[in-house]
Amino acid sequence: DGGITQSPKYLFRKEGQNVTLSCEQNLNHDAMYWYRQDPGQGLRLIYYSQIVNDFQKGDIAEGYSVSREKKESFPLTVTSAQKNPTAFYLCASSIAGGANQETQYFGPGTRLLVL
Amino acid sequence: AQKITQTQPGMFVQEKEAVTLDCTYDTSDPSYGLFWYKQPSSGEMIFLIYQGSYDQQNATEGRYSLNFQKARKSANLVISASQLGDSAMYFCAMLSNAGGTSYGKLTFGQGTILTVHP
Repeated sequence: DGGITQSPKYLFRKEGQNVTLSCEQNLNHDAMYWYRQDPGQGLRLIYYSQIVNDFQKGDIAEGYSVSREKKESFPLTVTSAQKNPTAFYLCASSIAGGANQETQYFGPGTRLLVL
Repeated sequence: AQKITQTQPGMFVQEKEAVTLDCTYDTSDPSYGLFWYKQPSSGEMIFLIYQGSYDQQNATEGRYSLNFQKARKSANLVISASQLGDSAMYFCAMLSNAGGTSYGKLTFGQGTILTVHP
């Protein structure tokens, strides 16, 4: 089955700790995205990547970092510089990331909580 | 700037009846796409329906249809014959090449919680 997987489902972070959220897709999509969702809110774009070894900041990139070494994988690191990391994180992908009719498909999400 | 407004924080509907979820948008881009997603309590975002800004006809996907009124900048989702499994949060979103950048930025509204009563 083609789709997007995210792990872990729940993640706990201690103060000052960096944590990495995994996102893998087997849809053969070029573009991948990371969004953050706070309770009762819509999604906000953190980072996106249209091609391997290239990525761009979204609206709320501060305190986050990403890498795109493989087409299938787009991990997100929440660094200690992110002062309010508690949120639901969703990864998405689309075919190429450049057209207005491209549907973005989402993974199941990771809930990050700060201890 | 792109903006999506969903004015209904919560909606209730009786099973088997139809319901309309409102969405208005604001953009200066002539070319854009409008999407509706469903988010059940599990959290996953499920794509429902798409409408392009140049599409002449309203989009339909099974029990979902999109009432697209371009002049009024509205893109309301109509769910016919509601089912208990339709209870979820629904998000309207817009995709546009904001300001000529090379990617499509998906902008989301605040969402509407739909509750279907038996």
